[in-house]
Amino acid sequence: DAKTTQPNSMESNEEEPVHLPCNHSTISGTDYIHWYRQLPSQGPEYVIHGLTSNVNNRMASLAIAEDRKSSTLILHRATLRDAAVYYCILRNGNQFYFGTGTSLTVIP
Amino acid sequence: GAGVSQSPSNKVTEKGKDVELRCDPISGHTALYWYRQSLGQGLEFLIYFQGNSAPDKSGLPSDRFSAERTGGSVSTLTIQRTQQEDSAVYLCASSLQGHHSYEQYFGPGTRLTVT
Repeated sequence: DAKTTQPNSMESNEEEPVHLPCNHSTISGTDYIHWYRQLPSQGPEYVIHGLTSNVNNRMASLAIAEDRKSSTLILHRATLRDAAVYYCILRNGNQFYFGTGTSLTVIP
Repeated sequence: GAGVSQSPSNKVTEKGKDVELRCDPISGHTALYWYRQSLGQGLEFLIYFQGNSAPDKSGLPSDRFSAERTGGSVSTLTIQRTQQEDSAVYLCASSLQGHHSYEQYFGPGTRLTVT
């Protein structure tokens, strides 16, 4: 199974950049790397995804290592509303393996 | 536009009873997923529907769990003879297509409590 490893928790000061790491050493050539986040008492929401090249959107940036065995989600300026659990996910067949994610705390 | 909706939002049931959970995906989305999330845990894949293809049931934990999707739209997850370990939040998601490049849109979930 294609699985991911993330730190259980991280902290960031408000308005500072946050780099959330993810290891996925068993990734296959066709696996897309997805990031979702889950705010308290809500369903997960899509953040960003990529295959090989770095990606940017209005929410975040995704930096993918050249060997694709790791990636980093970058929030350029953390706000209090970014406090959530962030999941790094690979697609394995029809399944998205979510793991337990990284709980991000944003300090005012 | 309307997102994914789920009903009920909360369900309390007695051990041994059957429950049905409903998911209304985003109109036009051909792929539909069910997950469950136990307290403090990540999401556990249950079942996947793609168009008219046979569903991928590989994540269903036991034969007490079943799901159907009528007319390629609304889906119902049924749990028979509920057990206390079935208590969790059940999440539904849909995506435009089932290809793994497409993002999933999640509903708010149904919190199931089995007493």
